[in-house]
Amino acid sequence: SAVISQKPSRDICQRGTSLTIQCQVDSQVTMMFWYRQQPGQSLTLIATANQGSEATYESGFVIDKFPISRPNLTFSTLTVSNMSPEDSSIYLCSVTALGRYEQYFGPGTRLTVT
Amino acid sequence: AQTVTQSQPEMSVQEAETVTLSCTYDTSESDYYLFWYKQPPSRQMILVIRQEAYKQQNATENRFSVNFQKAAKSFSLKISDSQLGDAAMYFCAYRSAMHFTYKYIFGTGTRLKVLA
Repeated sequence: SAVISQKPSRDICQRGTSLTIQCQVDSQVTMMFWYRQQPGQSLTLIATANQGSEATYESGFVIDKFPISRPNLTFSTLTVSNMSPEDSSIYLCSVTALGRYEQYFGPGTRLTVT
Repeated sequence: AQTVTQSQPEMSVQEAETVTLSCTYDTSESDYYLFWYKQPPSRQMILVIRQEAYKQQNATENRFSVNFQKAAKSFSLKISDSQLGDAAMYFCAYRSAMHFTYKYIFGTGTRLKVLA
């Protein structure tokens, strides 16, 4: 399975500011995804990060609020913009490797907005 | 649209005993994948076991096994010889096998407590 790292692991931010979360994989992967998980809840897919093109967003998530980049096959960033306390969540990156169908998850970024 | 239902928000099991977590799903597709993931408190989500819908044989991984009933659209996880380290949230997930379909549909999770 791929080894996935995320930075930062946690952060406390002021409302109105933005935070960029990085996801790095140790091997080339086909698909990269970004999820949000609120405390005690299941995972909600924010978007699929597409290499070299705009991300594909799920209903309820927009690019202005959650801009995503994926410059190559091993790296992606998610920015949470103009944060409010409602954005306090765990943000997870996941990947699917070439020829595989299962997803592997990063350790997550725990975000608290005050 | 596909849905995944985990009807047990919380389960408890005595250490060394066996526990079964339930998962049902709804789909009109015939080919798909099913997964169980484990998420320990404040720790990384880990793939426990996977099942391809076209395979009749139930998947097993050491102490973890599934009971896959395709006609009933049921996919339960059995944990044998439960250990304290099995305490976690367990999520059931569905993924279509259609080309260019990569998204997971997750259940709401079951919190497993292991009692010493």
